[in-house]
Amino acid sequence: DVKVTQSSRYLVKRTGEKVFLECVQDMDHENMFWYRQDPGLGLRLIYFSYDVKMKEKGDIPEGYSVSREKKERFSLILESASTNQTSMYLCASRGAGGLNEQFFGPGTRLTVL
Amino acid sequence: SQQGEEDPQALSIQEGENATMNCSYKTSINNLQWYRQNSGRGLVHLILIRSNEREKHSGRLRVTLDTSKKSSSLLITASRAADTASYFCATVGDSSYKLIFGSGTRLLVRP
Repeated sequence: DVKVTQSSRYLVKRTGEKVFLECVQDMDHENMFWYRQDPGLGLRLIYFSYDVKMKEKGDIPEGYSVSREKKERFSLILESASTNQTSMYLCASRGAGGLNEQFFGPGTRLTVL
Repeated sequence: SQQGEEDPQALSIQEGENATMNCSYKTSINNLQWYRQNSGRGLVHLILIRSNEREKHSGRLRVTLDTSKKSSSLLITASRAADTASYFCATVGDSSYKLIFGSGTRLLVRP
C-alpha cells in the first residue's frame, strides 16, 4: 500500500515564524502535491512537484514556498506565518502517467496565533 | 477555482438506506474521481470514471457520469454508520496535472 506521511498532525505557531511542513511518500512517485483545505472552499492546490528539484505553482502559492531535494520528500515552507494561513494542509503523491488517483497523507492542522 | 460542485452539501440518512451525492463541473475532463474524508483526516480515493465511461461499480459504490450535462453521481447502497464522512468529487482535465476538487458533501449515517 502507498503510504504518505506528514511530519505533524497538529501544529501551533506564532505570527511571523518560519514553518516547515514535511511530507514523505514510500512508493517512488514522481508527483507530489500540497493542498490547503478550508471550510466551504474545498481543497486548493498550493504547489506541486513533478520531479526532484522541480516545482510549479498551483492556484494559491502566495506566502508559500516548497522544496524537493529527494524524490520521496516534499516540504512546504511558510516563510513568515500569518493568521490567514491557519488551515488544514494535505500532502499527496501520484505516480507517473499523470491522470490517475492521488494518495493523501493524514493532514497537518496548522494554527497560527 | 472550484471545478466540481457537490449537491447536497449535507445529507443525513438511516443505516441501510441508499445515499446519493451529485457533482457538477464546468469544463471538459479526462476523468472524474470520488474521494472520502473521515473527520480531520486525509482523503481516500474511492473510484475513478473516465470520460468515455457512463457507469462504474465498486462494491457498494456506483458512479455515473453524464458528460453532456457535465455531472456525476455517487450512490452508496445499504449505507453503514462507518460510511459517515465527507465525499468529494475531483476532475482531471485533458491536459492537466491538476485535480480540481469540489467543496464536498457531508454524509451522516445514523445507526
